[in-house]
Amino acid sequence: GESVGLHLPTLSVQEGDNSIINCAYSNSASDYFIWYKQESGKGPQFIIDIRSNMDKRQGQRVTVLLNKTVKHLSLQIAATQPGDSAVYFCAENMGSSASKIIFGSGTRLSIRP
Amino acid sequence: KAGVTQTPRYLIKTRGQQVTLSCSPISGHRSVSWYQQTPGQGLQFLFEYFSETQRNKGNFPGRFSGRQFSNSRSEMNVSTLELGDSALYLCASSLRAPGETQYFGPGTRLLVL
Repeated sequence: GESVGLHLPTLSVQEGDNSIINCAYSNSASDYFIWYKQESGKGPQFIIDIRSNMDKRQGQRVTVLLNKTVKHLSLQIAATQPGDSAVYFCAENMGSSASKIIFGSGTRLSIRP
Repeated sequence: KAGVTQTPRYLIKTRGQQVTLSCSPISGHRSVSWYQQTPGQGLQFLFEYFSETQRNKGNFPGRFSGRQFSNSRSEMNVSTLELGDSALYLCASSLRAPGETQYFGPGTRLLVL
């Protein structure tokens, strides 16, 4: 069946270090992946996305890597800041014509001062 | 451009009652999806609407229903509320399909007593 999962439920990172959040997916038909950030009391906020015809995509301080061979997705946050503290979700969608996104369970990122 | 808005933000109901939640998508967005978020189950897809038609539905009982109006605003209804329906209900909009970038509202937190 379809599933998107996260390797670690919690991640603690020293302020200023880089953070890497991992995600595994099982549906080989998925061709669009998204990372969301959810802060306490707020809805998920779009961070970055990647399509299956790409291996890497960079945004501002964030990079998403996609390894289709092992069905693995990662989010890298450079120079982690206190404002990065949140729960991060990966999500997959089987193409723009599909109308259902499957979310992973989330990883809580906490920042040590 | 205004973001996705949801009303009400907080709601307390008792078992057996029914509730209607409202979502206004970003101007120009025609796809609206609804999700239920609980600590135990994470983010689960409820249904998605486009042009006043339900295009996809998640695995929720018939007590959960929705609709979309001609201006793309959407409502979801839960009848015969159960304690387990307590959750954060999130609405997300995109231009045409969830396969495109989805933008979430702040959610409606429902507590069933």
